[in-house]
Amino acid sequence: AQSVTQLDSQVPVFEEAPVELRCNYSSSVSVYLFWYVQYPNQGLQLLLKYLSGSTLVKGINGFEAEFNKSQTSFHLRKPSVHISDTAEYFCAVSERGGSEKLVFGKGTKLTVNP
Amino acid sequence: NAGVMQNPRHLVRRRGQEARLRCSPMKGHSHVYWYRQLPEEGLKFMVYLQKENIIDESGMPKERFSAEFPKEGPSILRIQQVVRGDSAAYFCASSTTGAPNEKLFFGSGTQLSVL
Repeated sequence: AQSVTQLDSQVPVFEEAPVELRCNYSSSVSVYLFWYVQYPNQGLQLLLKYLSGSTLVKGINGFEAEFNKSQTSFHLRKPSVHISDTAEYFCAVSERGGSEKLVFGKGTKLTVNP
Repeated sequence: NAGVMQNPRHLVRRRGQEARLRCSPMKGHSHVYWYRQLPEEGLKFMVYLQKENIIDESGMPKERFSAEFPKEGPSILRIQQVVRGDSAAYFCASSTTGAPNEKLFFGSGTQLSVL
């Protein structure tokens, strides 16, 4: 079984500041890793995913994440945030060799203030 | 992801009534997943279906909940005799292949409120 821990439930930042949203996972098998974003009153959208290869993954809207196998982490970063990045961010894993069933973390609410 | 259509957007039911939530996947997608999001929680997997088949229902409560994805028409999540604890946002997602590295496309969800 897998589990995902997002260490911060809320992260407030000022516009144009850098941000890091933390994600750690636990799994007895190899996994794929994902970050999804949920804007108010909308469904989830995929930001980026790590399947294999380079541990630094670039996604949409200037976000990137780094897979660290030894620390079982997949932290999401953006060097300079905008007001429009205000949303809830979810880290998720799926089991390699399994179905697309995702195990989600509880989410981190990012609030970007002017 | 706007292509996955869920309706209704909001559903209000009294305790003991039935709730039927519908999901039309994106065109060409034959794999459907249902997730439930409780307040202050992440999404929890409920059920995975392909056309006319339930593939994995390990996240479904044993009683009152059922799901189907018929050959024609949308996928339906049915909750009988709703209770206040069923109040949540229910999201549907779809994909083409069902492979674990594939991108899921999510609908905007149905907010169920049980009075």
